Amino acid sequence: SAVISQKPSRDICQRGTSLTIQCQVDSQVTMMFWYRQQPGQSLTLIATANQGSEATYESGFVIDKFPISRPNLTFSTLTVSNMSPEDSSIYLCSVEGRGRGWEETQYFGPGTRLLVL
Amino acid sequence: AQTVTQSQPEMSVQEAETVTLSCTYDTSESNYYLFWYKQPPSRQMILVIRQEAYKQQNATENRFSVNFQKAAKSFSLKISDSQLGDTAMYFCAFMIQGAQKLVFGQGTRLTINP
Repeated sequence: SAVISQKPSRDICQRGTSLTIQCQVDSQVTMMFWYRQQPGQSLTLIATANQGSEATYESGFVIDKFPISRPNLTFSTLTVSNMSPEDSSIYLCSVEGRGRGWEETQYFGPGTRLLVL
Repeated sequence: AQTVTQSQPEMSVQEAETVTLSCTYDTSESNYYLFWYKQPPSRQMILVIRQEAYKQQNATENRFSVNFQKAAKSFSLKISDSQLGDTAMYFCAFMIQGAQKLVFGQGTRLTINP
């Protein structure tokens, strides 16, 4: 599986500000994904980040609130814009596995814990 | 829409015991994948095991095995010889083949006691 890192690992932000989360992979991957895990909850897919095209957002998530960049095959960013306390969550990126038998299997980064005051 | 249900919010067993975590799912699709992920307090999501729906043979990974009942739409995880390091939240997840979207259950908090 790929080695995935995220920055920052955690942050405390004031409402109304924005935070950009970075996701770096140690090998080229076609698909990268961003998930949100609200406190005590399960994971929900925010969007799929495609290299060379706009991200594909899930129902309930919009580009103005969660703009995503995917400049190359090893890197993506997720911005949480105009934050409110309801955005306090863990944000995780994931990538699809490579190799026969591991296709369509997602591996996750360590997550970014965000607290909005 | 696909749904995944984990009916056990919390479980607790003694070290070295065997424990089974339950998961059911609802879908009209015939080609899909099922997964179990583990999330320890460090919050890193770790893949435990993967099952392709077209395979009748249950997946195994060392001490971890699944009981996949396709007709019943059931996908339980068995942990044998449990260890303290198995303490974590366990999430069951579902993905339609080609859809690239994981749908997660609500999780089961498993505690292994010494």
